Amino acid sequence: AQSVTQLGSHVSVSEGALVLLRCNYSSSVPPYLFWYVQYPNQGLQLLLKYTSAATLVKGINGFEAEFKKSETSFHLTKPSAHMSDAAEYFCAVSVTYGGATNKLIFGTGTLLAVQP
Amino acid sequence: DAGVIQSPRHEVTEMGQEVTLRCKPISGHNSLFWYRQTMMRGLELLIYFNNNVPIDDSGMPEDRFSAKMPNASFSTLKIQPSEPRDSAVYFCASSSIQRLWGEEDEQYFGPGTRLTVT
Repeated sequence: AQSVTQLGSHVSVSEGALVLLRCNYSSSVPPYLFWYVQYPNQGLQLLLKYTSAATLVKGINGFEAEFKKSETSFHLTKPSAHMSDAAEYFCAVSVTYGGATNKLIFGTGTLLAVQP
Repeated sequence: DAGVIQSPRHEVTEMGQEVTLRCKPISGHNSLFWYRQTMMRGLELLIYFNNNVPIDDSGMPEDRFSAKMPNASFSTLKIQPSEPRDSAVYFCASSSIQRLWGEEDEQYFGPGTRLTVT
């Protein structure tokens, strides 16, 4: 069964520092992987997605993630953190049900704090 | 497009009362998902529909929970009777599933309904 594991429920970085949020997946088939962001009191918003077209995926707000099959990882990075990046980040894997509908299995989330 | 619309945004009710949460998906989307988010359990998928038909309701916690999608533009999640442990934020999301190989559309989330059961 497909699943994702996010390492570190809380990550704190200084403004301007590198952001690295870790996600490892488990899947018996080539996975579709996603990163979502949730700002306080809001719904989830897609940052980026991997659908096998390219291993390095660029998303919104300067984020990117690299799919590494050998490591079963899909870590999220951003070269320089901004205060506005403070939010909770969720990694997710897509599970196709009978070829008709996909559903997402979410990780437990990583809360990113950005210190001035 | 207005995005996924949920109502109410906040609901406070007493234990034992019936609660109905509403969702309007993005026009043209053919899949709809209900999630629940709590500190203890994170984000859980409760049920999802494809073309108004429930595909998987294995995430629905108990018989007290029910969901309907009478048409492509409206869905409800009902809790009857409600209990304090149902307090959570409930999200609705919609997507458009493509049949072409490699097409995987994202899910668009609504702003959520924060439910408090006292």
